[in-house]
Amino acid sequence: EVQLVQSGAEVKKPGESLRISCKGSGYSFTSYWISWVRQMPGKGLEWMGRIDPSDSYTNYSPSFQGHVTISADKSISTAYLQWSSLKASDTAMYYCARPGVPGYNWFDPWGQGTLVTVSS
Amino acid sequence: DIQMTQSPSSLSASVGDRVTITCRASQGVSNSLAWYQQKPGKAPKLLLYAASRLESGVPSTFSGSGSGTDYTLTISSLQPEDFATYYCQQYYSTPPTFGQGTKVEIK
Repeated sequence: EVQLVQSGAEVKKPGESLRISCKGSGYSFTSYWISWVRQMPGKGLEWMGRIDPSDSYTNYSPSFQGHVTISADKSISTAYLQWSSLKASDTAMYYCARPGVPGYNWFDPWGQGTLVTVSS
Repeated sequence: DIQMTQSPSSLSASVGDRVTITCRASQGVSNSLAWYQQKPGKAPKLLLYAASRLESGVPSTFSGSGSGTDYTLTISSLQPEDFATYYCQQYYSTPPTFGQGTKVEIK
């Protein structure tokens, strides 16, 4: 079974750093890009960026470029999303997702989501 | 970026009703259009891709159509488990972009 399993919920203070993870299983991890998608409370879905795990090449949405870093460790089939200095506005659910077919940007499956809460 | 606009933003319907949700792109996306269903507290679930191709395991009560800038998701007979929020997404160009969502509620 193809699966993406994300790390657990996080509660952080403004200014703190954070890295959340997404572990792929049941498929060749290096054959599919991994994307990250943000969903703020009560809002819609926003694509943040993606990584090619085979060579760690990344694309970012202009809205998120410079605010987050996407990385991957292919040896453990895991992708990461990290912040160096969190803001209250980073409070959201974050999903990782894989293309249904390599080279296309429709997503299936999705991870279960990681809730990040940033509050003083 | 390509802007995706869904209508309506919400609707109320009864079990057995036929429901149609529309998605309009700010420029043509050449059928590079996916639809997702999201239930509260859950990740989105892929329903259709390439505008009209049904994902494996998705009931045939769901169908998609359209071309160019205008696309439609139709639920032919609404079931209790179909009450959820639906999103369209274009993948014609990067960044992929989503519609704002359509919440389908019980009348």
